[in-house]
Amino acid sequence: KNEVEQSPQNLTAQEGEFITINCSYSVGISALHWLQQHPGGGIVSLFMLSSGKKKHGRLIATINIQEKHSSLHITASHPRDSAVYICAVDNTDKLIFGTGTRLQVFP
Amino acid sequence: DAMVIQNPRYQVTQFGKPVTLSCSQTLNHNVMYWYQQKSSQAPKLLFHYYDKDFNNEADTPDNFQSRRPNTSFCFLDIRSPGLGDAAMYLCATSREYYNEQFFGPGTRLTVL
Repeated sequence: KNEVEQSPQNLTAQEGEFITINCSYSVGISALHWLQQHPGGGIVSLFMLSSGKKKHGRLIATINIQEKHSSLHITASHPRDSAVYICAVDNTDKLIFGTGTRLQVFP
Repeated sequence: DAMVIQNPRYQVTQFGKPVTLSCSQTLNHNVMYWYQQKSSQAPKLLFHYYDKDFNNEADTPDNFQSRRPNTSFCFLDIRSPGLGDAAMYLCATSREYYNEQFFGPGTRLTVL
């Protein structure tokens, strides 16, 4: 079993829909990261959080440390949000990555 | 703009022919990481530097070496590339451990 699990693996949505991607982890962490990777592209850090909730534009990330669970929400989704979203946790001196969620948003 | 730069963006090499990928940063971060990412897989950490201290992952093949001559630059050397080394290579930096990591655009390596 992977130490960081994401669901769903693949997600399709119509433009404007509210999207939720989930991440569960089984190891002790100091922080959790949400990353975005466009096809063929580099990785962009969206959030780093260790408690509570953060919001940036249409993106919201929450974490529940007791339940070892985090969610990434996208409100009013847009085709440009189509990408792979990766959850990663800080464990010792390196990141442990989830397998990613591939999101496609159609017009 | 402060950023992480990788060169080249695309590299084609022949089986067994040494190749060097470069990463530079203007963020003055202490930590630099090299990741390998194969298609539809999560990035895999190869090694990282904290300043000049080199930290190799246990399962990184000996074929992969790295150099960090100064704070700004870090190089990935693949001594004898095999077909299985074809991948995207990502460089990332962070100010300290447990900080946000900033990724470069990656170098896509093709081995013929």
